Amino acid sequence: DSGVTQTPKHLITATGQRVTLRCSPRSGDLSVYWYQQSLDQGLQFLIQYYNGEERAKGNILERFSAQQFPDLHSELNLSSLELGDSALYFCASSLRQGYTDTQYFGPGTRLTVL
Amino acid sequence: AQSVTQLGSHVSVSEGALVLLRCNYSSSVPPYLFWYVQYPNQGLQLLLKYTTGATLVKGINGFEAEFKKSETSFHLTKPSAHMSDAAEYFCAVSELVTGANNLFFGTGTRLTVIP
Repeated sequence: DSGVTQTPKHLITATGQRVTLRCSPRSGDLSVYWYQQSLDQGLQFLIQYYNGEERAKGNILERFSAQQFPDLHSELNLSSLELGDSALYFCASSLRQGYTDTQYFGPGTRLTVL
Repeated sequence: AQSVTQLGSHVSVSEGALVLLRCNYSSSVPPYLFWYVQYPNQGLQLLLKYTTGATLVKGINGFEAEFKKSETSFHLTKPSAHMSDAAEYFCAVSELVTGANNLFFGTGTRLTVIP
């Protein structure tokens, strides 16, 4: 158990809908990262927050957004969902935002768009 | 930008045999390299990481990796495979250029251990 929790574990929805994925980092960790794992794209970095502020953006679509709240939990919002958004979404956290900081991954949320 | 290439999407070894999973990186600056393991229906778990210092890095579960700058490689090895090692393994590099700490992952290698 990494200490990172993600809810829900599974999510099934329809095209065009909007969903919110939630992540609670390990106690004391200030950075939260979101990754997408799909069969065709592999594991891709989406976005990073550090202590409530956006720090880095990867291949995140404009239909997707995220935020980190004062209690440090984070939410990833996916809207106007398409079939291709079906994937496993991982949240990770680290103590700070240094290059050598270990990122601890949650168990993921499996999103299925029908 | 940094990137990693994992040679071999599937590797099969016999129980007790040497495990060798290959990873080559591309980076214009000294890289920070990581190996993660993903068991079925679970998240990623860090096996080991190279930052600076000793080029031979020891990790959990008997795995180790050697950073070879001249070969731009960071191959993962384990002397004797165990059935519990069956999983998917990902090599990753930190994004250093922009100052961010996000990871760039390889495409993964699925390890099968044959009894």
